Amino acid sequence: GAVVSQHPSRVICKSGTSVKIECRSLDFQATTMFWYRQFPKKSLMLMATSNEGSKATYEQGVEKDKFLINHASLTLSTLTVTSAHPEDSSFYICSARGGLAGDTQYFGPGTRLTVL
Amino acid sequence: GENVEQHPSTLSVQEGDSAVIKCTYSDSASNYFPWYKQELGKGPQLIIDIRSNVGEKKDQRIAVTLNKTAKHFSLHITETQPEDSAVYFCAASSSNYKLTFGKGTLLTVNP
Repeated sequence: GAVVSQHPSRVICKSGTSVKIECRSLDFQATTMFWYRQFPKKSLMLMATSNEGSKATYEQGVEKDKFLINHASLTLSTLTVTSAHPEDSSFYICSARGGLAGDTQYFGPGTRLTVL
Repeated sequence: GENVEQHPSTLSVQEGDSAVIKCTYSDSASNYFPWYKQELGKGPQLIIDIRSNVGEKKDQRIAVTLNKTAKHFSLHITETQPEDSAVYFCAASSSNYKLTFGKGTLLTVNP
């Protein structure tokens, strides 16, 4: 099956710093990648949709200047949390679809961000 | 926009019993319905999906049924095993590929 990786799996940073999370599709070309946020014991909340070579489309209430998304290639998307604050602490998960994966969304393993 | 309701929020069964999780959706344009299993600290894993042109799909111990008229779909797990214990999410999607998730069901299979 299609494999999506994320890096890092866990990151701890100080308040005010920026953190970059990478999402890669390992065995297919991802036309579209999605970024989600998940709070403990809660469902997944879609933050933004990114298509390769295009600007990301953000969901209502998600600050685009806070959460910078880049989808520069068909196998890589990055999420940068700028000027992180403790309330940004969360589990961030990406998913990818397209190419040989078709319409099915395959999820990465997630990144646990803790902002001190 | 789409709204997906999922029930129950928790489900506890004995090993070997069956488990059923139900979801309803609101947008009649939705045509793709995946189910994901999420273990603690991990990303969701696709376990089965169904498209609107099919009423039922089965993969070994897992089956999904879809009733388009009533706008509901269900996950059925037979012969449950302790390793089936996890949170299960249903989702719905239309042509824009965006998934709307249910709130999840914590399934516990007791040995």
